[in-house]
Amino acid sequence: AQSVTQLGSHVSVSEGALVLLRCNYSSSVPPYLFWYVQYPNQGLQLLLKYTSAATLVKGINGFEAEFKKSETSFHLTKPSAHMSDAAEYFCAVSDRGGANNLFFGTGTRLTVIP
Amino acid sequence: GAGVSQSPSNKVTEKGKDVELRCDPISGHTALYWYRQSLGQGLEFLIYFQGNSAPDKSGLPSDRFSAERTGGSVSTLTIQRTQQEDSAVYLCASSYHNRGSTEAFFGQGTRLTVV
Repeated sequence: AQSVTQLGSHVSVSEGALVLLRCNYSSSVPPYLFWYVQYPNQGLQLLLKYTSAATLVKGINGFEAEFKKSETSFHLTKPSAHMSDAAEYFCAVSDRGGANNLFFGTGTRLTVIP
Repeated sequence: GAGVSQSPSNKVTEKGKDVELRCDPISGHTALYWYRQSLGQGLEFLIYFQGNSAPDKSGLPSDRFSAERTGGSVSTLTIQRTQQEDSAVYLCASSYHNRGSTEAFFGQGTRLTVV
């Protein structure tokens, strides 16, 4: 069975501060891991994905995530938050590949304080 | 179109009525998916279409839910005899294929409210 846990349904950071959104996964096989972002009244947009090629994955808008097998984690980070980063972020895992096999976390809403 | 298009963007319906939600995927994408996003919950997979193959309906929550994809393009999700617990945002996505780490492109969703 596979699942995703996102710690913290709401995270607030000051503009310019480090962004850290946590994601822990459970999978019986090497997983595919994804981070999606959802801006208000929009669909989900892929930020980045882990496919075993490299443990540190760089995505769009300055975000990156590191796959740590020993910790079963795939936390999302950004060195300096911008106001435009305010959105909801979803971590997802797939053990078989394919978007019909994605299991999503419950999401983390990021607020950026000016 | 440039992206996945869904209509209507908002739908309010009375309990017991049937509703139809439409999804127009990105041209050339062979795979199409429907997800449901309920308040405070993650996305829940509903159904998946791949080309002319039989759809994967494993995520449909009840027999009140059905979907079809005509001509390998536009898809319609139908909910019969709607219940209040059906209130959610219904998201459609499409992708070129459905292997490995394929990226699914999502539409803006249809917000369904059952009153």
